Amino acid sequence: QQQVKQSPQSLIVQKGGISIINCAYENTAFDYFPWYQQFPGKGPALLIAIRPDVSEKKEGRFTISFNKSAKQFSLHIMDSQPGDSATYFCAASSYGGKLIFGQGTELSVKP
Amino acid sequence: DAMVIQNPRYQVTQFGKPVTLSCSQTLNHNVMYWYQQKSSQAPKLLFHYYDKDFNNEADTPDNFQSRRPNTSFCFLDIRSPGLGDAAMYLCATSRATGGRTEAFFGQGTRLTVV
Repeated sequence: QQQVKQSPQSLIVQKGGISIINCAYENTAFDYFPWYQQFPGKGPALLIAIRPDVSEKKEGRFTISFNKSAKQFSLHIMDSQPGDSATYFCAASSYGGKLIFGQGTELSVKP
Repeated sequence: DAMVIQNPRYQVTQFGKPVTLSCSQTLNHNVMYWYQQKSSQAPKLLFHYYDKDFNNEADTPDNFQSRRPNTSFCFLDIRSPGLGDAAMYLCATSRATGGRTEAFFGQGTRLTVV
């Protein structure tokens, strides 16, 4: 019940295309859903996050879509750039609780 | 400005020789976490401190210990490193108030066991 399932494991997108990464969870107590971006040899960096009281949040080219009834959320990267090539992790937590990470998606944006 | 600082960035230790990794933060966050991340895997939580309260994950080996002498500093001690403990170790902090659990990560320490 504590798991967060992420797909796909890897993704190749052409420059300018849309990258979509999906996550699903079971624990209805989760109330905070961040996405982290990690470059090789670096720590994860918070990209964008959402709470379940909204269905969508947009920051620049990054959008989170949240479906509370389906217990799913996704990250959309519009106009994907080679510099977006990294590993992306979704995560979930409940108040004051620990972050539970998805398995990660390795994104490669081809020029 | 670095907010979560881990030292060293790279650590090489001998099989069975105790090693300590350190983490400091300038955010005054009350929660500090230690994660282990192996190649192409998600970060795995080892333990975390909520203020001074230590919370160990059920599957964290006894070989891993932690100390938090004050709000700003936290240490990860590996008593007898094995080859399987080679990984990136990540420290993170968060302020668990108002329902927020936004976590900030350090750059990590890459541990090699020889």
